[in-house]
Amino acid sequence: DAGVIQSPRHEVTEMGQEVTLRCKPISGHNSLFWYRQTMMRGLELLIYFNNNVPIDDSGMPEDRFSAKMPNASFSTLKIQPSEPRDSAVYFCASSNRVWVTNEKLFFGSGTQLSVL
Amino acid sequence: GIQVEQSPPDLILQEGANSTLRCNFSDSVNNLQWFHQNPWGQLINLFYIPSGTKQNGRLSATTVATERYSLLYISSSQTTDSGVYFCAVEWRSSGDKLTFGTGTRLAVRP
Repeated sequence: DAGVIQSPRHEVTEMGQEVTLRCKPISGHNSLFWYRQTMMRGLELLIYFNNNVPIDDSGMPEDRFSAKMPNASFSTLKIQPSEPRDSAVYFCASSNRVWVTNEKLFFGSGTQLSVL
Repeated sequence: GIQVEQSPPDLILQEGANSTLRCNFSDSVNNLQWFHQNPWGQLINLFYIPSGTKQNGRLSATTVATERYSLLYISSSQTTDSGVYFCAVEWRSSGDKLTFGTGTRLAVRP
């Protein structure tokens, strides 16, 4: 298996521009997570999908952030408009949810986002 | 509030030394996992260990759920072990989310 695939690896954009991050989870996994990592706040969960349905988006910072999962093999995280404080590494991760808990979580390589 | 605390925050080892990293959590958990973030930023899952003991090569982990802590043992450390080690927990009270601790930063010197 190729693992969790994220694109792009690096994104540099100007304030006010729209940014779209993409993720392909591991085939067969039914849970997908978007995390953000910064020095100040560590690893923060932004949103979590189970069977393509958003379950918890309480970590999404504000309305400028949106996430979709149109099918089991693809998800996007969009920031519009982007701001310098959005600069961070954004990780996508997937796992298999069985009964009341998630099994091992696997991360993609992350997208390093810089908003100038 | 519910907390995940890791200790020590920083650790420097000479190659070949052993170490123990600790993760304390403040509530009952469904799920606990250990991760290694290497110097290139990759996050690798080391263990899925809500309870009991597991071993994988030079690494082993023990979770005592009733006492709300988990330990990660690194034996015969190598320079490739350098990076940040995170524990992450899924609380019984909050459903599906894995909450990460602040990590232990490990540097192994040759």
